[in-house]
Amino acid sequence: QSALTQPASVSGSPGQSITISCTGTSSDVGGYNLVYWYQQHPGKAPKLLIYDVNKWTSGVSYRFSGSKSGNTASLTISGLQADDEADYYCSSYTRSSTLSVFGSGTQVTVL
Amino acid sequence: EVQLVQSGAEVKEPGESLIISCKASGYSFMNFWIGWVRQLPGKGLEWMGIVFPGDSETKYSPPFEGQVTISADRSITTAYLQWSSLKASDSAMYYCVRHVEVGAPDHWGQGTLVTVSS
Repeated sequence: QSALTQPASVSGSPGQSITISCTGTSSDVGGYNLVYWYQQHPGKAPKLLIYDVNKWTSGVSYRFSGSKSGNTASLTISGLQADDEADYYCSSYTRSSTLSVFGSGTQVTVL
Repeated sequence: EVQLVQSGAEVKEPGESLIISCKASGYSFMNFWIGWVRQLPGKGLEWMGIVFPGDSETKYSPPFEGQVTISADRSITTAYLQWSSLKASDSAMYYCVRHVEVGAPDHWGQGTLVTVSS
């Protein structure tokens, strides 16, 4: 099962909006509305932000939003803040040996 | 509150065996898959495998099949990741995760750092 494809890096200035894409296939992203997004700060465990494409985990800022079109899901961060600087990973349900597949990860830099 | 608390960091020599653990609480342990994810230094997340404590069904990601053993003890709501003979290339951070049956991981442990060096 290949990893979902994400851009290696995305950057933006404080206050701007950025979008991270996550491209899979009809066997994962395109086949189910079951895309999750995680944020990982250096030295920390990943934290769930968004599940089922566009639902917020309790306590997560509404500045984070998810969407999907075809085989590509997206995470948009609005009003970019310094603390948003982290790695972001997507994941999708798939009928594979491990039930889901991770994205390759995107490093977000706040300029 | 769902909690996954992992055992502490380990330093081992090549060829040694190792078991790391993940103590789950705050939910029905038997009804959710629990799995292990590897993160090599500076790299992304890799699925290793998952176990369903309710019936001990286990699934492995192909690169890890035969390399590790994943298990769960329902009586103490704890999952395990086991190596019989460590290699230097096993040095990494390992996370346990709770996996929604039809979904993806929704809770993560704090991670266990494994260092294998002679």
